Amino acid sequence: QKEVEQNSGPLSVPEGAIASLNCTYSDRGSQSFFWYRQYSGKSPELIMFIYSNGDKEDGRFTAQLNKASQYVSLLIRDSQPSDSATYLCAPSGGSQGNLIFGKGTKLSVKP
Amino acid sequence: DTAVSQTPKYLVTQMGNDKSIKCEQNLGHDTMYWYKQDSKKFLKIMFSYNNKELIINETVPNRFSPKSPDKAHLNLHINSLELGDSAVYFCASSHTGVASPLHFGNGTRLTVT
Repeated sequence: QKEVEQNSGPLSVPEGAIASLNCTYSDRGSQSFFWYRQYSGKSPELIMFIYSNGDKEDGRFTAQLNKASQYVSLLIRDSQPSDSATYLCAPSGGSQGNLIFGKGTKLSVKP
Repeated sequence: DTAVSQTPKYLVTQMGNDKSIKCEQNLGHDTMYWYKQDSKKFLKIMFSYNNKELIINETVPNRFSPKSPDKAHLNLHINSLELGDSAVYFCASSHTGVASPLHFGNGTRLTVT
């Protein structure tokens, strides 16, 4: 059974702080890692993806991947109230390309 | 607009009824998916089609039957609806391959009473 573990939160950070979201996965065969943001009542939207070990930065977002530790994280710098949402970690689940989603971490950014 | 669109957005029905959800994508993707998100917000894959061929069929009751008339469309038919089927159903699409992100439709909130 392929599993993706995330702290369900809620994770509460003050506006302007760094939010750190963590994810571990069980399938060593996962090659691609995606972070999705889901606002309440909306569909998941892609915010970051990473394929190689190390860091990848895109604006205020940084994804970090450590395949040896089976760990992927997402850092949000200068957090804004509009970042308040549930963040879903999704490693690729197999050759078919489907993604296996974690249960998500609910982030709350307080003004 | 390029998108994944699914209809209806809301579906309220009684136990025992049969209902369908339709999905269409105009992103040129060749793989389409149905995911179910339950009340605990857990997003779980149900089916996946690649170029009209079923490639993923998770442990889903056979009351659920997907159909893909072409690679741009994937529909979901549910027979004999049960209370436990209440959830949000998301259609998604992607290019083939493990490096391709999924693009989601807006979801269909199914409520079975």
